[in-house]
Amino acid sequence: KNEVEQSPQNLTAQEGEFITINCSYSVGISALHWLQQHPGGGIVSLFMLSSGKKKHGRLIATINIQEKHSSLHITASHPRDSAVYICAVREASGSRLTFGEGTQLTVNP
Amino acid sequence: DSGVTQTPKHLITATGQRVTLRCSPRSGDLSVYWYQQSLDQGLQFLIQYYNGEERAKGNILERFSAQQFPDLHSELNLSSLELGDSALYFCASSSSGGAHEQYFGPGTRLTVT
Repeated sequence: KNEVEQSPQNLTAQEGEFITINCSYSVGISALHWLQQHPGGGIVSLFMLSSGKKKHGRLIATINIQEKHSSLHITASHPRDSAVYICAVREASGSRLTFGEGTQLTVNP
Repeated sequence: DSGVTQTPKHLITATGQRVTLRCSPRSGDLSVYWYQQSLDQGLQFLIQYYNGEERAKGNILERFSAQQFPDLHSELNLSSLELGDSALYFCASSSSGGAHEQYFGPGTRLTVT
């Protein structure tokens, strides 16, 4: 079992839909990151959070430390949101990141 | 643009060869991280340097080595290359060695033929 599990692996949505991507982890962490990787390969850091909730534009990230679970929400999805979304955790004991396998999101117009 | 630069963008080389990948962190960032993204393994942490010193080591093969120079740029050296080393190699930087946001470079795509 991977230390970081994401679901779903693939997600197809229609433009305007509300999207949720889930991440569960099994280790103690100091922070959780949500990353976005576009087809060209570049990785952009969306959020880093250790508790509660963060919002940036149409993106919202939440984390429940007790349940070892985080969600990334996209409101009013748009085709330009199509990308791979990756959850990564920083273990409490160090600074290395452990990554989930990613969720491929496709938003159709 | 994250402010992290990586060169070269693409690299094609043959098995058995040695290559060097270069990373310049964002201005002021002291930590550099190296990651490998292959099709079958996903993203994996290789190694971290902080202000010139090795801080953490991950799944880095003995054929691979890295260093961080006094100007804080870093190089990842890959030797005796195998087909399975073909991957995207990312470098990221952060302001400290601990729980701070990491900024990723555009990556170097290595193809070993």
